[in-house]
Amino acid sequence: RKEVEQDPGPFNVPEGATVAFNCTYSNSASQSFFWYRQDCRKEPKLLMSVYSSGNEDGRFTAQLNRASQYISLLIRDSKLSDSATYLCVVNRYGGATNKLIFGTGTLLAVQP
Amino acid sequence: GAGVSQSPSNKVTEKGKDVELRCDPISGHTALYWYRQRLGQGLEFLIYFQGNSAPDKSGLPSDRFSAERTGESVSTLTIQRTQQEDSAVYLCASSSKLGRTGAETQYFGPGTRLLVL
Repeated sequence: RKEVEQDPGPFNVPEGATVAFNCTYSNSASQSFFWYRQDCRKEPKLLMSVYSSGNEDGRFTAQLNRASQYISLLIRDSKLSDSATYLCVVNRYGGATNKLIFGTGTLLAVQP
Repeated sequence: GAGVSQSPSNKVTEKGKDVELRCDPISGHTALYWYRQRLGQGLEFLIYFQGNSAPDKSGLPSDRFSAERTGESVSTLTIQRTQQEDSAVYLCASSSKLGRTGAETQYFGPGTRLLVL
């Protein structure tokens, strides 16, 4: 079983739609959580960090549930430019390690 | 300011040859990481440097893979006797020093696409 699991999609949605992505992680020692965005043949870029209290950045809302080991991302009013792969990421650090563990990503295609 | 840079951007090599991939992190970033992304798959952690030391090499897939970092700056990932399964995008990332409250954001370079024929 992968340490970070995501639905690979694709999610095909019309412009203006609201779409939600979910992710689960198996290692309760994971300490920080992120959503990264990766465009085709490009490097991943940080979209937002994820906190238990929930956080919002414009049309994007992220939520962490530590008890359920579950992370979510909500995108409202989808734009064509939101089309990309969304990567759920956990970070383990401390002692001798500091590394990001990536899910395989969820592909979003926003249609005109 | 300048981001993370990597070279070459593309590398085609024959099975059995050695390759060197270079990463220039963001100036002042003390932490540096290498990841690998095979086609259609997620990123896999390879190695983490803090300064010039590598406290976590747990992701290196075999002893054909090695990495070093000098001057708390440039890093080189070397793959010896390349195999076809080594074909992937090799991504480097850097971050500023680990803070008391947690890990700092990792910024990625554009990657080196390696194809082993």
